Amino acid sequence: QKEVEQDPGPLSVPEGAIVSLNCTYSNSAFQYFMWYRQYSRKGPELLMYTYSSGNKEDGRFTAQVDKSSKYISLFIRDSQPSDSATYLCAMSRNTGNQFYFGTGTSLTVIP
Amino acid sequence: KAGVTQTPRYLIKTRGQQVTLSCSPISGHRSVSWYQQTPGQGLQFLFEYFSETQRNKGNFPGRFSGRQFSNSRSEMNVSTLELGDSALYLCASSLVQGNTGELFFGEGSRLTVL
Repeated sequence: QKEVEQDPGPLSVPEGAIVSLNCTYSNSAFQYFMWYRQYSRKGPELLMYTYSSGNKEDGRFTAQVDKSSKYISLFIRDSQPSDSATYLCAMSRNTGNQFYFGTGTSLTVIP
Repeated sequence: KAGVTQTPRYLIKTRGQQVTLSCSPISGHRSVSWYQQTPGQGLQFLFEYFSETQRNKGNFPGRFSGRQFSNSRSEMNVSTLELGDSALYLCASSLVQGNTGELFFGEGSRLTVL
């Protein structure tokens, strides 16, 4: 069993829709949770970073962490064609830069 | 400020050969991590270097190795290439060691093994 599971999609939504992306994990030691966005032929870029449980909002993006359920989500409001990319969840324990990534969800926002 | 630079961007090798990939981190960043990205497995951690010392290592065979130089530039080497080594190799740098979540990735080196 992989430590981080993520639905690969692909996910296709109309412009303006609310998008929900999710990951589950098995290691209760994970404390840091991140979402990265990766455009085609580019490296991942950090979107959201959350420590422990709770919600975090940044513009159209909201990250949620539920440690009791080992479940994290990223919501994108008013989705735009420029949001079309692969979204990767990532998490880690307490020290070091060893991150565990999901396989990514491919999102297409249709104008 | 220049981002993370990886060279070469694309390369093709045959089984049994070896390859060296290079990464120049963002100026001032001292931690460099390497990841392998494949469609089936996603990003998998290879190793992390900080101040020329390997601090963490993922579950990859000894054919995968790396090093970091005094200017924080890093190289990774894969010897005796196998078909399954075909992947995008991503380098990421961060300001300090330790977990802040702020990894800055390069665009990767895409390796094809024939």
